[in-house]
Amino acid sequence: DSGVTQTPKHLITATGQRVTLRCSPRSGDLSVYWYQQSLDQGLQFLIQYYNGEERAKGNILERFSAQQFPDLHSELNLSSLELGDSALYFCASSVVGLAGLNEQFFGPGTRLTVL
Amino acid sequence: SQKIEQNSEALNIQEGKTATLTCNYTNYSPAYLQWYRQDPGRGPVFLLLIRENEKEKRKERLKVTFDTTLKQSLFHITASQPADSATYLCALESSGTYKYIFGTGTRLKVLA
Repeated sequence: DSGVTQTPKHLITATGQRVTLRCSPRSGDLSVYWYQQSLDQGLQFLIQYYNGEERAKGNILERFSAQQFPDLHSELNLSSLELGDSALYFCASSVVGLAGLNEQFFGPGTRLTVL
Repeated sequence: SQKIEQNSEALNIQEGKTATLTCNYTNYSPAYLQWYRQDPGRGPVFLLLIRENEKEKRKERLKVTFDTTLKQSLFHITASQPADSATYLCALESSGTYKYIFGTGTRLKVLA
């Protein structure tokens, strides 16, 4: 158990809908990262937050948004869902946001299926 | 374009042998490189980090090398066991951007 929690574990929804994925980082970790993993794309970095502020954006679509709250939990919002958004979404956390220097602790993931 | 390549073919080896996995990158100058293990349907688990000024790093049966001239990292598992069967991912940070790039991973299967 990494100490990172994600809810829900599974999510099935329809195209055009909007969903929210939630992540609670390990106690004391200030950085939260979101990743998308699909079979043909591997693990894709979406976005990083550090202590409530957005630090880096990766291949995140405009239909997707995220935020980190004062208690450091984070939410990833996915809207106007398309079939291609079906994937495993992972949240990870690390102690600080020093790029590359800190190991990331990954949550169990949320499996999103868009029908 | 910036890219990380890992051998996408699965690697099958016999128990007790040494497994060697390769990670090649182009158009990056990473200060660090990380290796993770991922089991099916689970999140990656951190294994080792190696810095650009370290040629080699060891942890128990694991060894990682980092050659910044060749732009390559090698990941070795000695005395491999069936429990080592998993997908192994290398990752680096695109210098100064805080953006993490992961390779697509190599699936290792250790045969008993």
